[in-house]
Amino acid sequence: AQRVTQPEKLLSVFKGAPVELKCNYSYSGSPELFWYVQYSRQRLQLLLRHISRESIKGFTADLNKGETSFHLKKPFAQEEDSAMYYCAPVEWGQNFVFGPGTRLSVLP
Amino acid sequence: EAQVTQNPRYLITVTGKKLTVTCSQNMNHEYMSWYRQDPGLGLRQIYYSMNVEVTDKGDVPEGYKVSRKEKRNFPLILESPSPNQTSLYFCATSYGGPVDTQYFGPGTRLTVL
Repeated sequence: AQRVTQPEKLLSVFKGAPVELKCNYSYSGSPELFWYVQYSRQRLQLLLRHISRESIKGFTADLNKGETSFHLKKPFAQEEDSAMYYCAPVEWGQNFVFGPGTRLSVLP
Repeated sequence: EAQVTQNPRYLITVTGKKLTVTCSQNMNHEYMSWYRQDPGLGLRQIYYSMNVEVTDKGDVPEGYKVSRKEKRNFPLILESPSPNQTSLYFCATSYGGPVDTQYFGPGTRLTVL
């Protein structure tokens, strides 16, 4: 069965510090990989999609097929990065599954 | 402007009183879906639709119905709401199906007393 884990429910870092939000998945195939973000009182929106290899707001994500992980990283966190982050690996023919989410809090 | 809208945004109701939450999109997307968001559980898919007149169950479909009579609308129906359906509901659409970027509505906060 599909399974997505984001081991940290809450991650607090200081402004300017590096941040890494972890995502691990157990899928039988090769899923499309997404990170979505939800800022306070806003709708969810796409942050990053692996296939496009874009860097959005300074975030990047590294796919490790051997470990089946897709960790999100940013070298210098900003206060406006405080939000909920959801990892979403998706395969054709399977239900859309979000990870449980990690709340990032960037402290001044 | 491309958008996904939901109505109502907030709703307080009582157990057993049928309600409908509407979702509408103007992006000509074929794929639409509904999620509920609960603390500690993240987002869980309720139902999805690949195209007009094509709907299928997600992970938590019990107690919900949907219909897709036209491409732009995908209403979520609670025939007999119960308190455990108190949640924040999101509609989402995409052009290329579940493996494409999802565009989310603003959310509907439902409280069932």
